[in-house]
Amino acid sequence: DQQVKQNSPSLSVQEGRISILNCDYTNSMFDYFLWYKKYPAEGPTFLISISSIKDKNEDGRFTVFLNKSAKHLSLHIVPSQPGDSAVYFCAASWGYNNDMRFGAGTRLTVKP
Amino acid sequence: EAGVAQSPRYKIIEKRQSVAFWCNPISGHATLYWYQQILGQGPKLLIQFQNNGVVDDSQLPKDRFSAERLKGVDSTLKIQPAKLEDSAVYLCASSLSHEWGFGSGTRLTVV
Repeated sequence: DQQVKQNSPSLSVQEGRISILNCDYTNSMFDYFLWYKKYPAEGPTFLISISSIKDKNEDGRFTVFLNKSAKHLSLHIVPSQPGDSAVYFCAASWGYNNDMRFGAGTRLTVKP
Repeated sequence: EAGVAQSPRYKIIEKRQSVAFWCNPISGHATLYWYQQILGQGPKLLIQFQNNGVVDDSQLPKDRFSAERLKGVDSTLKIQPAKLEDSAVYLCASSLSHEWGFGSGTRLTVV
């Protein structure tokens, strides 16, 4: 049931540079996409989302891009900071019942 | 606004024992979810409630797992009997439209 895929288990970037986390999905019914950030021993915390009617949403240093034709979304963090080091989950939901599926996560490490 | 509350935070049990987890969702959130997250994987949906009705329990191992949300608010997830492969973090989440909240999870270790 891997409807949401994050193919890169880890990513390492230098402080101040751009971090790009990628996510692919297979279910064309998904109409809402979310990125979550997770620190060890804590539950996921919401970061940013995008509706399928948009192709870009920006919130401070975080921007999410959606390419519906490619069934692909990405999260850009600019500039990256050491405090951004965490596991990032891509999630997608659809329908009235908000059926949501998660990717496996990408561990981002931002080096000072 | 209070977040999703879960307890206990940690639990260690022997295989074949039973265990129960509790979740209190964000006030007003009609939808409640239980996810299982095995180390190195993303959360996998076990069961989804809409108020006190089950919406999706297709991935719940019903021979050993059960969940209820009797009054449409709190929920409990039970495993009986536990197996070694049940070792994971069990996350509770709740939502109302596109507003979501997650609990901190219960880390279960089955030995």
